[in-house]
Amino acid sequence: GIQVEQSPPDLILQEGANSTLRCNFSDSVNNLQWFHQNPWGQLINLFYIPSGTKQNGRLSATTVATERYSLLYISSSQTTDSGVYFCSLTYKYIFGTGTRLKVLA
Amino acid sequence: GAVVSQHPSRVICKSGTSVKIECRSLDFQATTMFWYRQFPKKSLMLMATSNEGSKATYEQGVEKDKFLINHASLTLSTLTVTSAHPEDSSFYICSAASGSFDEQYFGPGTRLTVT
Repeated sequence: GIQVEQSPPDLILQEGANSTLRCNFSDSVNNLQWFHQNPWGQLINLFYIPSGTKQNGRLSATTVATERYSLLYISSSQTTDSGVYFCSLTYKYIFGTGTRLKVLA
Repeated sequence: GAVVSQHPSRVICKSGTSVKIECRSLDFQATTMFWYRQFPKKSLMLMATSNEGSKATYEQGVEKDKFLINHASLTLSTLTVTSAHPEDSSFYICSAASGSFDEQYFGPGTRLTVT
C-alpha cells in the first residue's frame, strides 16, 4: 500500500526557533495537504500544495512531487504552534504518521 | 469560509446503545463527506466516503452495519454507531469537500466513550 512517512515523529522547540517537518510519500502526488491538529483535536488546514511553494505568515510549504516529498517550515515558533502536524494525500485519503511538536515558552 | 461543524463534541453511552453523530458544512455545499477515526496518539484512518444521495463507500475492515452513514443533503452527513461496545470508543472526525478529490475541511471531532 501507499506509505506516507513523516519526520521527525517528535520535536521540542524553544519559542522563537525555526523548524522543518518532512513528509515522504511512496506514490505520485495529485493533491497534498498539511494540517495542524491542535490539543483539542481540531484539524486546521495549513496548505493545499500538490507542487511548488506556498507561504502563509510564519509558515511555508514546499512539495517536490518528482522526488515524492513535501516540507513544512515553521519560523519563529510560538507556543500556540504546539500540536500534531499531519500531511495527507488528499486524493487517496491517506494521512501521514504525524509530527508531534511542543514549543516551550 | 469552509466551516464544518460536528455534534455532539463528546458523548458517553452505555454498551449496546446507538449513537448518532452529525456533520454539517455551514457555508458551502459538500458533494462528498468523509468519516475518519483516530485512536490516541495515532493518525487518522478513513472509515467511509459518502456522496450526497448515494450509499457510502466503506474502507476495508469497516463494518457497514455497525457504522451507518447517511448523506441526505449537500450540507449534512450522519454517522450512527449501532450497538456500541467499549472498543468503539474513539475520536471520530468528519470532513467535507466540494468534490471527491478536492481540499477537505474538517469538523472539530466527536469523542465517543462507551461504558
